[in-house]
Amino acid sequence: GIQVEQSPPDLILQEGANSTLRCNFSDSVNNLQWFHQNPWGQLINLFYIPSGTKQNGRLSATTVATERYSLLYISSSQTTDSGVYFCAVDGEETSGSRLTFGEGTQLTVNP
Amino acid sequence: NAGVMQNPRHLVRRRGQEARLRCSPMKGHSHVYWYRQLPEEGLKFMVYLQKENIIDESGMPKERFSAEFPKEGPSILRIQQVVRGDSAAYFCASSPLDSAAALHFGNGTRLTVT
Repeated sequence: GIQVEQSPPDLILQEGANSTLRCNFSDSVNNLQWFHQNPWGQLINLFYIPSGTKQNGRLSATTVATERYSLLYISSSQTTDSGVYFCAVDGEETSGSRLTFGEGTQLTVNP
Repeated sequence: NAGVMQNPRHLVRRRGQEARLRCSPMKGHSHVYWYRQLPEEGLKFMVYLQKENIIDESGMPKERFSAEFPKEGPSILRIQQVVRGDSAAYFCASSPLDSAAALHFGNGTRLTVT
């Protein structure tokens, strides 16, 4: 099956700093999503981005499908950005969307 | 505009009991997925269902686990004779299409087996 690697595994920032999280995947994909799991365990959908670039407020994401990676940018980080960021992909040609998750990047934003 | 609804949020069971987890997909979504998250790990796919059909259960343990999505009512993930290793967060997701589409996740059910 498809492999997903995220880096870095852990990241500690001061409030206001910018950061880039990376997701590498081993095969072509027809679905790629970024999620934020907050400290209460809720999984929040950030981006559906199998290719191209999207922006939503302080967050943006870029997927370069031909080179098999995606980047999540967080600008002017806030303490509420803390949590685990997951990249998840689906490379299957069959029906449905079975996501394979990476191991996540644990982000801590200190005041 | 309710999202994916899961209940209960927390469930405690003793070893050997049964656990039943419920998931109501978003309005208009007829495709349901169940995922399991063990402590300190990412989510792992378990099963994909459409109304009255199991499409793919390749991620389900072979024994004690079953899932259904009846014509009426929520999807149910059932774990019989729970063991401590079943303690995890179980997430349900739904989508409107059977092709590539964004999955929308519920808040999960945290199962603790004592």
